[in-house]
Amino acid sequence: KAGVTQTPRYLIKTRGQQVTLSCSPISGHRSVSWYQQTPGQGLQFLFEYFSETQRNKGNFPGRFSGRQFSNSRSEMNVSTLELGDSALYLCASRLSNTEAFFGQGTRLTVV
Amino acid sequence: QQQVKQSPQSLIVQKGGIPIINCAYENTAFDYFPWYQQFPGKGPALLIAIRPDVSEKKEGRFTISFNKSAKQFSLHIMDSQPGDSATYFCAASMNRDDKIIFGKGTRLHILP
Repeated sequence: KAGVTQTPRYLIKTRGQQVTLSCSPISGHRSVSWYQQTPGQGLQFLFEYFSETQRNKGNFPGRFSGRQFSNSRSEMNVSTLELGDSALYLCASRLSNTEAFFGQGTRLTVV
Repeated sequence: QQQVKQSPQSLIVQKGGIPIINCAYENTAFDYFPWYQQFPGKGPALLIAIRPDVSEKKEGRFTISFNKSAKQFSLHIMDSQPGDSATYFCAASMNRDDKIIFGKGTRLHILP
């Protein structure tokens, strides 16, 4: 079966702009989580959505937001981009109480 | 309290050697400890996972050792191969449904 699909794979944005990233989970998976990966901080949890509701949230500023649609696809939005937002953004999906499957990520570069 | 500390940051081992990666945690509420493997350009993939009621778990060449009293756990890779060269992350969560707290990662290189 198809894995977790993230689009786009690469993105270059300018400081102050906003960006939307997309994640299509594995079919049947209702939980979608987002993580930010940077060389200095490693993998950090952003938030998780389950059945269109945010179930868990990490310690990121309000500029980072997300949503989930009825088909379980999820989007993540970052407003007023800063240079420090440059990172690999990873999405993971899972069934209840099972392992998390990660997508390949979206590499965001802010210039 | 929510941190998972991982060491070393990088590791170079000869083919056939046994690299060991160590992790420590503080929060005793953690009860699920997965290890992830990440190759360049890919997302992390679950390698093996353990719960604190088990002291050791083996899957193929990969073994997790778990010391609940010391709040430490480690990954051993037996008969390591160049194809094992990747970044390894230890992690913890309060259950399989909760957010995953990752260690900072270990970049492993196996020399041919």
